[in-house]
Amino acid sequence: DAGVIQSPRHEVTEMGQEVTLRCKPISGHNSLFWYRQTMMRGLELLIYFNNNVPIDDSGMPEDRFSAKMPNASFSTLKIQPSEPRDSAVYFCASSLKGSGRGTDTQYFGPGTRLTVL
Amino acid sequence: TQLLEQSPQFLSIQEGENLTVYCNSSSVFSSLQWYRQEPGEGPVLLVTVVTGGEVKKLKRLTFQFGDARKDSSLHITAAQPGDTGLYLCATRDDKIIFGKGTRLHILP
Repeated sequence: DAGVIQSPRHEVTEMGQEVTLRCKPISGHNSLFWYRQTMMRGLELLIYFNNNVPIDDSGMPEDRFSAKMPNASFSTLKIQPSEPRDSAVYFCASSLKGSGRGTDTQYFGPGTRLTVL
Repeated sequence: TQLLEQSPQFLSIQEGENLTVYCNSSSVFSSLQWYRQEPGEGPVLLVTVVTGGEVKKLKRLTFQFGDARKDSSLHITAAQPGDTGLYLCATRDDKIIFGKGTRLHILP
């Protein structure tokens, strides 16, 4: 299996621009997670989906952030408009079981490094 | 709010030495996970501990879950340069929470 695929790997944009990050989970996995990692705040869960339905979006910073999962093999995280404080590494992860909780294994993608100037 | 405090934040030691890093909280967890993250990559799950007092071994790595299920430790025996990375603990009870990690550097 190819693992979790994220694109782009690096994104540099200017403040105010729209940014779209993409994720393809591992085939057959039922849960998908979006995380943000910074030195200051560490790895934070933004949102997770179960069977393509958003279950917990309490980690989404504000209305500028939105996430969609139109089908089992694709998800997007959009930031509009982007701000310098959004600069971070954004990770997508997927897991097999149908719940975001518990002990099942999350498989992380390689991340997208976002820089907002 | 549940918090996971990891210590130390940074650790740099010579190859061959032993080390222990910690993950502590004031909350009780049903399970705890340890991940290792290498530069430019996502975290990779090392182990899940679920029972108070549980000890799990993964080659030279020994993981322990505290009796009260509030803390955990990771001990590495005879550290090697390949052990270099960011070690994260995480819980997935009511919320998915990661500690900020211990950044480990093993000097050859």
